[in-house]
Amino acid sequence: KAGVTQTPRYLIKTRGQQVTLSCSPISGHRSVSWYQQTPGQGLQFLFEYFSETQRNKGNFPGRFSGRQFSNSRSEMNVSTLELGDSALYLCASSLGHSSYNEQFFGPGTRLTVL
Amino acid sequence: DAKTTQPNSMESNEEEPVHLPCNHSTISGTDYIHWYRQLPSQGPEYVIHGLTSNVNNRMASLAIAEDRKSSTLILHRATLRDAAVYYCTPAYNNNDMRFGAGTRLTVKP
Repeated sequence: KAGVTQTPRYLIKTRGQQVTLSCSPISGHRSVSWYQQTPGQGLQFLFEYFSETQRNKGNFPGRFSGRQFSNSRSEMNVSTLELGDSALYLCASSLGHSSYNEQFFGPGTRLTVL
Repeated sequence: DAKTTQPNSMESNEEEPVHLPCNHSTISGTDYIHWYRQLPSQGPEYVIHGLTSNVNNRMASLAIAEDRKSSTLILHRATLRDAAVYYCTPAYNNNDMRFGAGTRLTVKP
């Protein structure tokens, strides 16, 4: 079974631009969560999508948004990029919206904002 | 606000047991406690999770305190391949995982 895939793997943008990252979950998984990882802040939860609806949201500004499609694939968007948005963005998929289900992480997208 | 606390770093000798502690005082009754680890240049990988009882799998054991406000990941015989950053978190609101900074485990040969 293929794992979680994320595209692109690397991205360089400049301040003020916007960016869209994509995540394809494991087949059959219906929940997708997004995380931001930086050396200073560790692994921080952005949001979770299940059945095309945002179910949980972390403490990030409105510039960070996401969506999920009917095939469970998900995208996240960051508008008006700031230097501090440089990070590794990870997505994780799980079977469902449940505390019981373990999450499976993708390799991440490394975003650099210049 | 949901918060987990773990030691920043721990060291172990190869072939010896390692006990990694985690405090999660804001946990509620239906939140499973999850542990993940992250090897260098990789995404985190699942290790183990549990609700109330102690749990064992091929990778590790999980000991959960009676009040569920803390847990301990036990690696019975650490190997060099276990060197990683270990994260714990309850899965709040069904799937909201608030990882902290994790514990960096160093395994010495």
